[in-house]
Amino acid sequence: SAVISQKPSRDICQRGTSLTIQCQVDSQVTMMFWYRQQPGQSLTLIATANQGSEATYESGFVIDKFPISRPNLTFSTLTVSNMSPEDSSIYLCSVGGGYNEQFFGPGTRLTVL
Amino acid sequence: AQSVAQPEDQVNVAEGNPLTVKCTYSVSGNPYLFWYVQYPNRGLQFLLKYITGDNLVKGSYGFEAEFNKSQTSFHLKKPSALVSDSALYFCAVRDLISSGSARQLTFGSGTQLTVLP
Repeated sequence: SAVISQKPSRDICQRGTSLTIQCQVDSQVTMMFWYRQQPGQSLTLIATANQGSEATYESGFVIDKFPISRPNLTFSTLTVSNMSPEDSSIYLCSVGGGYNEQFFGPGTRLTVL
Repeated sequence: AQSVAQPEDQVNVAEGNPLTVKCTYSVSGNPYLFWYVQYPNRGLQFLLKYITGDNLVKGSYGFEAEFNKSQTSFHLKKPSALVSDSALYFCAVRDLISSGSARQLTFGSGTQLTVLP
């Protein structure tokens, strides 16, 4: 299994600002995923990040709002831009997939005031 | 399109009693099914998976799940619940698309399990 760390673990931000979340994996992986878990809700996939190519966004999520970087095979960042209170969620990084289980980071709990 | 349903938002069980957390799924091909657990202020932890083979799958912490193709169900079970099992449980599914690749993981809405001492 992969060990995944995320920074920050939590943050409180003001409306209109941006926050960049970092995800570090202890092994090289092809695909990394970013999920959002709104309060009391299930997980929703934001995008898939492959190293060396543009991230693939799911319906309802756009690059301008959630830009993603994937500079190498062990690291990715997700930025939440121009935040509003509706962006208050837990953001989770994940690796794995295909026919196997995915592993998840501990999450970043974001509160937007 | 694939989907997962967890019909119970909340399940309460007494410590020492058996527990069941229900999950049904809908896919167009063969399902790959997963259970995850989320403790407060923690990420998701993988419990078990069904890919193929025996319908009864054993996983971490004494949990098991039974795959039932005719009922399209994958219920999570444990013979004797512990207070420490209290957490949020998610069922998830993916299947193959026509190209032979696996779809993205789709999660159910989650079931909050509370084990009462």
